[in-house]
Amino acid sequence: DAGVIQSPRHEVTEMGQEVTLRCKPISGHDYLFWYRQTMMRGLELLIYFNNNVPIDDSGMPEDRFSAKMPNASFSTLKIQPSEPRDSAVYFCATVGDRDSDTQYFGPGTRLTVL
Amino acid sequence: AQSVTQLDSQVPVFEEAPVELRCNYSSSVSVYLFWYVQYPNQGLQLLLKYLSGSTLVESINGFEAEFNKSQTSFHLRKPSVHISDTAEYFCAVSEDSSYKLIFGSGTRLLVRP
Repeated sequence: DAGVIQSPRHEVTEMGQEVTLRCKPISGHDYLFWYRQTMMRGLELLIYFNNNVPIDDSGMPEDRFSAKMPNASFSTLKIQPSEPRDSAVYFCATVGDRDSDTQYFGPGTRLTVL
Repeated sequence: AQSVTQLDSQVPVFEEAPVELRCNYSSSVSVYLFWYVQYPNQGLQLLLKYLSGSTLVESINGFEAEFNKSQTSFHLRKPSVHISDTAEYFCAVSEDSSYKLIFGSGTRLLVRP
């Protein structure tokens, strides 16, 4: 398996623009997590899904952030409008039934908002 | 509420020396405990985990961690480190009925020749 795939790997945009981050989970994994990593705040859980349904979005910072999982093989995290303080590395991680206590992380998307 | 404390933000050590990375947690219920490692420009990878049973758990690359319930700790140790162990190490906790992980702030292990 190719592992968790995230795109793009790097994104540079200007303040006010819409940003869409994408994640393809490992096939068969039915939990999907979105994290944000910054120097100041460390690794924060933003939202997670089970069987494409959002379970806990209490970590989503504000209404500018939204996440969807339209099917079992794809999820997006959207920021609209983006702000410089959104600059961070965003990780997607997934969990499957066979190894249900282990989260498998993607390589991350480094977002820079100018 | 659960929380994880990693007191050391950076630990410099010479190659082949022993190392201990400290982790303390707080939780009012039974927990699962994890150590994840992050190499530069990569995502996190599971290093080892404690779910139940023996309180001493080991990884395939020589790390070990011991769950100490009375001290609410899960310190990570390695008797002899390599240059390739240079990375950031994250301790994490989850309640035994949840997939949700709470991470510590991370400890950067810097192994010098």
